[in-house]
Amino acid sequence: DAGITQSPRHKVTETGTPVTLRCHQTENHRYMYWYRQDPGHGLRLIHYSYGVKDTDKGEVSDGYSVSRSKTEDFLLTLESATSSQTSVYFCAISALTSGTLGEQYFGPGTRLTVT
Amino acid sequence: QQQVKQSPQSLIVQKGGISIINCAYENTAFDYFPWYQQFPGKGPALLIAIRPDVSEKKEGRFTISFNKSAKQFSLHIMDSQPGDSATYFCAAYPPGSARQLTFGSGTQLTVLP
Repeated sequence: DAGITQSPRHKVTETGTPVTLRCHQTENHRYMYWYRQDPGHGLRLIHYSYGVKDTDKGEVSDGYSVSRSKTEDFLLTLESATSSQTSVYFCAISALTSGTLGEQYFGPGTRLTVT
Repeated sequence: QQQVKQSPQSLIVQKGGISIINCAYENTAFDYFPWYQQFPGKGPALLIAIRPDVSEKKEGRFTISFNKSAKQFSLHIMDSQPGDSATYFCAAYPPGSARQLTFGSGTQLTVLP
């Protein structure tokens, strides 16, 4: 998985509790992304980062926040988890340097269940 | 608004047959079109990709055909094998910074032995 780890890999939590998912990369890529995957929807972008402390919203950002204090780590936080946030979450990285087309490489995913 | 529409949702093919998955896009500014393959419990993996100035790209048994005027592109898997059974996603990149991918909804391919 291109030097990308996600933790935890599985988590069950209760509605209303805060949850933080971690993405760690060893590729020193500038860009990092958080997606959620739900049946019938493919993958939808939640937030992305284009550098340390530089982040922006994606298509489905409501209810989520992110932080990136180091190049290698990108955290996704659900401030107060809801059942609609039950999903599989994927982190992706991209180099986006000259000579590349910005290919994104994905981590193994985190399955989150909110009860 | 779904900017990349993918069909079919599911596909069953006999071993040795040809699998064809189609995608249509709306945004003419898209400038790069990758396909991802995903096995159960795994993250999507980049399979093959094409730029709009090329009409076809082939890598082994996998071929992308691109029709810029129709705003459509397709993945062909020749001599399909049971090991190809997976979910396939088409995607598209807009130009500019960050390169936010827009994904199709996915096709679950089953290749029967």
